[in-house]
This record gives sequence, structure tokens and C-alpha cells, in this order.
Amino acid sequence: DTGVSQDPRHKITKRGQNVTFRCDPISEHNRLYWYRQTLGQGPEFLTYFQNEAQLEKSRLLSDRFSAERPKGSFSTLEIQRTEQGDSAMYLCASSYPQGAEAFFGQGTRLTVV
Amino acid sequence: GEDVEQSLFLSVREGDSSVINCTYTDSSSTYLYWYKQEPGAGLQLLTYIFSNMDMKQDQRLTVLLNKKDKHLSLRIADTQTGDSAIYFCAEKLTTGSARQLTFGSGTQLTVLP
Repeated sequence: DTGVSQDPRHKITKRGQNVTFRCDPISEHNRLYWYRQTLGQGPEFLTYFQNEAQLEKSRLLSDRFSAERPKGSFSTLEIQRTEQGDSAMYLCASSYPQGAEAFFGQGTRLTVV
Repeated sequence: GEDVEQSLFLSVREGDSSVINCTYTDSSSTYLYWYKQEPGAGLQLLTYIFSNMDMKQDQRLTVLLNKKDKHLSLRIADTQTGDSAIYFCAEKLTTGSARQLTFGSGTQLTVLP
């Protein structure tokens, strides 16, 4: 098992463009989480899925953000009309439904210029 | 409310013990975690403790939990230069938005030769 995988590792985009990130969780894990981490802060919860169902969304997840997990395996996070304030590290994590442990990927660092 | 606080910086000499402290406000926490983050990388789960435990030891790591004071600490014995990183405390709750982790802002540990 290679752990949680995220792609790309880095993304630089111009303000107003759309970007999409991918997360491949650990294969046996039903739960998948997205977090955002800005410089000097801890990660903040964005949303989570159990299988293909998106069960919870943070108020941080504005209308420009959308996340999917169509087959209950990998997930995508799309940001439309990016703004400079979207610049952050986007982290994905996965776990078993009743598991105490959540394992994180290496993150995608987004820079909006 | 959900609030996890940590001191920002800690410096220790190689070979000494490090103690990183964390306070949290929500008494309904079920699990409390310590994650390590190296520069530009994702979060590595170090250890976690269930809320009905007082202590957990795992090789060089010792976690102490004082539920009365809502205080969590991580002790690293025989600290090495490779332990230099940011350490995040996190809690998982049983109420409200119960399924994600709430993180502190992290403690930057610097190990001096």
C-alpha cells in the first residue's frame, strides 16, 4: 500500500482560472477528507465523504469549491474562479469509518498569482 | 466551542527530552492526536490517545492526557535532529461536526546540535 496519494504536488495558476486536484486514498478506507492549510496554521476541515456520499461540508467550502468521489474511490476537489486567498496547501486524508487513525497525503500546494 | 492551542516554538538540544504541550476546550473529545509535519510535506500520524486513557507510550514518544485540565502533552525522549519539524495536536469530537479533526496551529520544534 502506497498510502494516500495526491496529484499534483504543486500548482500555480492565474487568478480567475479553475483548478482540480485529485486524491487517491488508502484502498480499504471508506472515509475521505479534504483539509486546507494556510501558512503558519493547522489544517482546517473542508469536507468529507463516506464511500461516494459527501456527508459534511464546512462553511469554508464556498460555492466556488466542489468535491466529488464518484465511485467511492478517488476524489477530486475543484476550485472555480480562483482567488489569491485560495493559495494554500490542500490536504487529503482517509480512514476506516470507525477508525481512530486518519492518514494524510503529501498535499497539493496551490499558488494563485 | 472547538479550540486547540499550542505554543508556537520549542528549542531543545540533541539528546535532551522535548515536551510539547496542547490545550483543548471541548470535553467531548474522543481521541487526541499528534501529527508531525516536515517542510513542504503532508502530516504524519505519530500517535493518538483515547480520551479514557491517561498515558500512552510508543518507543521514544509518551503522550500524557489530563482530562480535568484539558491538557495534552507529547514527550520525545532522546530528541534527534530528524525530529525537527512542526508538531500538531488535534482532537476528534463526539458532538456537532463530529467526524473531522480540529487542529492546533502547530509547535515548531528545533533541535540544536
